[in-house]
Amino acid sequence: AQSVTQLDSHVSVSEGTPVLLRCNYSSSYSPSLFWYVQHPNKGLQLLLKYTSAATLVKGINGFEAEFKKSETSFHLTKPSAHMSDAAEYFCVVSGPPTADTDKLIFGTGTRLQVFP
Amino acid sequence: NAGVMQNPRHLVRRRGQEARLRCSPVKGHSHVYWYRQLPEEGLKFMVYLQKENIIDESGMPKERFSAEFPKEGPSILRIQQVVRGDSAAYFCASSPLPSSGNTIYFGEGSWLTVV
Repeated sequence: AQSVTQLDSHVSVSEGTPVLLRCNYSSSYSPSLFWYVQHPNKGLQLLLKYTSAATLVKGINGFEAEFKKSETSFHLTKPSAHMSDAAEYFCVVSGPPTADTDKLIFGTGTRLQVFP
Repeated sequence: NAGVMQNPRHLVRRRGQEARLRCSPVKGHSHVYWYRQLPEEGLKFMVYLQKENIIDESGMPKERFSAEFPKEGPSILRIQQVVRGDSAAYFCASSPLPSSGNTIYFGEGSWLTVV
């Protein structure tokens, strides 16, 4: 079965310092992996996705993630945090690749706090 | 978000009442997904619908919950006889076709509070 584990429920950084949000996945097939961001009481915005092309994926707002099959990881990074990055981040894996359904399986989320 | 509209954004119901959540997908999208987010948790898949058809409802509770996506009008998620445990954010997403996530657009959610 497919699953994702977000290793930290909360991460706190100072503005201008690097961000690392950790995610490990489990999948019986070649997965598609995503990171979504959710600001308070808002919907979800896709940050980036991995679909078996380049293992280093660049997303919006300076975020990137590296797919490491040997470590079954897909950690999200950003070189320098900004106050506006404070939000909930979800690591997501695609469901089984069938023709008729396209379920997404979400991790439990990591809340990123950014201090001035 | 590319135009998925959900309403109401916030809904308060007493135990035993019915809750109806509506989702208008992006214009031209014929595939709708509903997800539920319980407090302090990630989103969990509930149901996947195409126009007039339920394709996958494996995430739907067996009782009290139903969903539809009629030929005309929005998709409706209906919860009968609500209980406190139904309090959650319900997110709708739409896509033009099964898309491995990259063209799925999420709405801003409907927050249900059961008192």
